[in-house]
Amino acid sequence: AQRVTQPEKLLSVFKGAPVELKCNYSYSGSPELFWYVQYSRQRLQLLLRHISRESIKGFTADLNKGETSFHLKKPFAQEEDSAMYYCALVISSGSARQLTFGSGTQLTVLP
Amino acid sequence: NAGVTQTPKFRILKIGQSMTLQCTQDMNHNYMYWYRQDPGMGLKLIYYSVGAGITDKGEVPNGYNVSRSTTEDFPLRLELAAPSQTSVYFCASSYGGGNSPLHFGNGTRLTVT
Repeated sequence: AQRVTQPEKLLSVFKGAPVELKCNYSYSGSPELFWYVQYSRQRLQLLLRHISRESIKGFTADLNKGETSFHLKKPFAQEEDSAMYYCALVISSGSARQLTFGSGTQLTVLP
Repeated sequence: NAGVTQTPKFRILKIGQSMTLQCTQDMNHNYMYWYRQDPGMGLKLIYYSVGAGITDKGEVPNGYNVSRSTTEDFPLRLELAAPSQTSVYFCASSYGGGNSPLHFGNGTRLTVT
């Protein structure tokens, strides 16, 4: 079954410290993965996608097919990074390709 | 642009009541989705639509119905509300499927008692 696992529900780091939010996936095909973020009182929004190999707000994520992981990293966390982060996987089902989401990790960056 | 707009923001229903959660988008997106999010869980897909007149079931469709008569609107109907449907509901849209980014609404918090 296609599945996305985020093992940490809560993660706290101090400002300036490195942060890594873990995401593991299970998928028989070639994976397409995303990170979505929800800041307090804002709607869920796309942070980055693996096919773009981009860095957004200092965050990067590398797809590791050997470890089936797509961990989100930032070398120096900022207080404004505090948010809920969701890893998502594209799966093919029926007439459309859909996103399946992990359960999310609440990141708190402490001053 | 308003993007994706959901109404209402909050609602409390009694068991057995029915209601419609409204969702509209002004980005001319073909794809629209309804997700529910239970505490401590990820978003689960209820229904989706790839265009006007076309809808399909997602992972957890039981107890819900949808329609897509226009490109803009994708209402979600609960016919006989049950406590298990207490959740936060998110509507989303995208230009295409798969790797097109999803644009989310602000969510509707529904409590069934």
